[in-house]
Amino acid sequence: GAGVSQSPRYKVAKRGQDVALRCDPISGHVSLFWYQQALGQGPEFLTYFQNEAQLDKSGLPSDRFFAERPEGSVSTLKIQRTQQEDSAVYLCASSSPGQGYSYEQYFGPGTRLTVT
Amino acid sequence: AQSVTQLDSHVSVSEGTPVLLRCNYSSSYSPSLFWYVQHPNKGLQLLLKYTSAATLVKGINGFEAEFKKSETSFHLTKPSAHMSDAAEYFCVVSHIDFGNEKLTFGTGTRLTIIP
Repeated sequence: GAGVSQSPRYKVAKRGQDVALRCDPISGHVSLFWYQQALGQGPEFLTYFQNEAQLDKSGLPSDRFFAERPEGSVSTLKIQRTQQEDSAVYLCASSSPGQGYSYEQYFGPGTRLTVT
Repeated sequence: AQSVTQLDSHVSVSEGTPVLLRCNYSSSYSPSLFWYVQHPNKGLQLLLKYTSAATLVKGINGFEAEFKKSETSFHLTKPSAHMSDAAEYFCVVSHIDFGNEKLTFGTGTRLTIIP
């Protein structure tokens, strides 16, 4: 079946531009996560949703970052007034509680954002 | 707070020889631990996970890891490396938050296989 998909795969933005990154989770997955992976680093948690509710946004680095999941499926991560330090790969993952303790997160291929 | 330390940023082995990727964890309680693999331009894939059952965990593609509480370690091993194993490997610790897993990743170990 289809996995997690993300679009665009690559995005180049000029500093100060706004960007929107899309995530399509696996159909029926309740939980959705966003991570930021800087070059040479491991992914870092940004935020997560359970259905349409954003239950944790403690990892968002600034108020320029905003995420939504209005209908409990597709999610969008928006970055306003992009800065060079925002350059990273943004990963989306989804999971479905009910598969037992320790719910596996399934990751998308990521969107590589380069801010020039 | 939970954290993991991957002791080697880069490991090179010859094809057919054993692989050892080292990971130490810090957790205030009994942790769930994972190893993920990331191939270039592909999504992260779960290799294996430990969730307080058997301390020796077998994963996909011949990988396994042993949870050692006394050493706070969760090293990843494979008896014989294959060229297709070349990738970035992440050790991960999790805790349950609002009923879902919050993952904390290590900084990664790049595995190179020498033909």
